[in-house]
Amino acid sequence: EDKVVQSPLSLVVHEGDTVTLNCSYEVTNFRSLLWYKQEKKAPTFLFMLTSSGIEKKSGRLSSILDKKELFSILNITATQTGDSAVYLCAVGQGAQKLVFGQGTRLTINP
Amino acid sequence: DGGITQSPKYLFRKEGQNVTLSCEQNLNHDAMYWYRQDPGQGLRLIYYSQIVNDFQKGDIAEGYSVSREKKESFPLTVTSAQKNPTAFYLCASRKREGHTGELFFGEGSRLTVL
Repeated sequence: EDKVVQSPLSLVVHEGDTVTLNCSYEVTNFRSLLWYKQEKKAPTFLFMLTSSGIEKKSGRLSSILDKKELFSILNITATQTGDSAVYLCAVGQGAQKLVFGQGTRLTINP
Repeated sequence: DGGITQSPKYLFRKEGQNVTLSCEQNLNHDAMYWYRQDPGQGLRLIYYSQIVNDFQKGDIAEGYSVSREKKESFPLTVTSAQKNPTAFYLCASRKREGHTGELFFGEGSRLTVL
């Protein structure tokens, strides 16, 4: 059975801390891995990773994929209260399907 | 502005009633998707469509139906056969590509069955 597992499910840190969110997967016909941020309603796209070992970076966020060990991490440095959200990991399977993990709920306290 | 519009944002239904959730996109995307999100869970795929007049079941299609008569529109009907329909429903779309790429999401519709 195809599955995407995120950990931790919930994380509470103080503003300024650095956090690492994990995503492991067992999916047939892997094509890509995507990270989304969901604050209230619509998830917004963060990164898409297709190659191992190549870090993608956007401001304080970065992500990397390990296709041998079947996982990805999302790092957020110098966290701010605006980073509080649910972070979703999804794996692109075949031509069209995306399989989502359960999400990690991140809370940043001032 | 281009985007995906879902309506209604909130919907209440009595048991035994069918309801239809609307999803319209003006992004000229070929593929459209319906996901369901329950508290503490990720998104689960209900149905998806890659082209007009064609659609496929996702992982949890039972109790749902869709149509794709126009490229821009992909309505979802939650039928009375769906045993636990209270959930947050998200519609998404993307360009049709060989490799899976970014999904664009609507703002969602929250359905509550009374």
